[in-house]
Amino acid sequence: QVQLQESGPGLVKPSQTLSLNCTVSGGSISRTGYYWNWIRQHPGKGLEWIGYIYHSGTTYYNPSLKSRLTISLDTSKNQFSLSLSSVTAADTAVYYCARGENYLWGSYVDQWGQGTLVTVSS
Amino acid sequence: EIVLTQSPATLSLSPGERATLSCRASQSVGSYFAWYQQKPGQAPRLLIYDASNRATGIPARFSGSRSGTDFTLTISSLEPEDFAVYYCQQRNTFGQGTKLEIK
Repeated sequence: QVQLQESGPGLVKPSQTLSLNCTVSGGSISRTGYYWNWIRQHPGKGLEWIGYIYHSGTTYYNPSLKSRLTISLDTSKNQFSLSLSSVTAADTAVYYCARGENYLWGSYVDQWGQGTLVTVSS
Repeated sequence: EIVLTQSPATLSLSPGERATLSCRASQSVGSYFAWYQQKPGQAPRLLIYDASNRATGIPARFSGSRSGTDFTLTISSLEPEDFAVYYCQQRNTFGQGTKLEIK
């Protein structure tokens, strides 16, 4: 079974760039039929889709974050990454990396990392 | 963009009771719809996909249904481990969640 693990700094200063990696084990991120997601959850709140990337490199970005966001793949390391620039306290959240899969009628997230808390503070 | 409205925000029930959670989509989405369960300190878990199919390993007491743009998650007889927050999802949108708590 595929496993995902987030890694990166737990504390980022305001105006800096938040960078996280997700290492995938037990399966290749180059395999067709899957897409690789970043989803966040503000403390005590609901889930917010940040964006995702297909094995082809095609991306979807949340329009509210698009101007600050880059999601990329590193197939040699079987990783995908998140870069969010110009962060503020409003970007403090638990960040999840997750695998999405195409089913008959839609696409759903069926494997999740454990999540990593990123705090934006000086 | 689709808006998903979950109700109720909080549902208080006892173990053994039947739980009915709702999610309404702001426009037609067909059967492209999922439910997730999230327990405190854990990542969400896919329960139901394509509106009515149980994901791998999900007990039969969980079921999903659709009527137009209204979707329902039913837990037939609550187990202690079912008390959690439930989210609906369509495309890149999640609902705001329903907290299922012990009465």
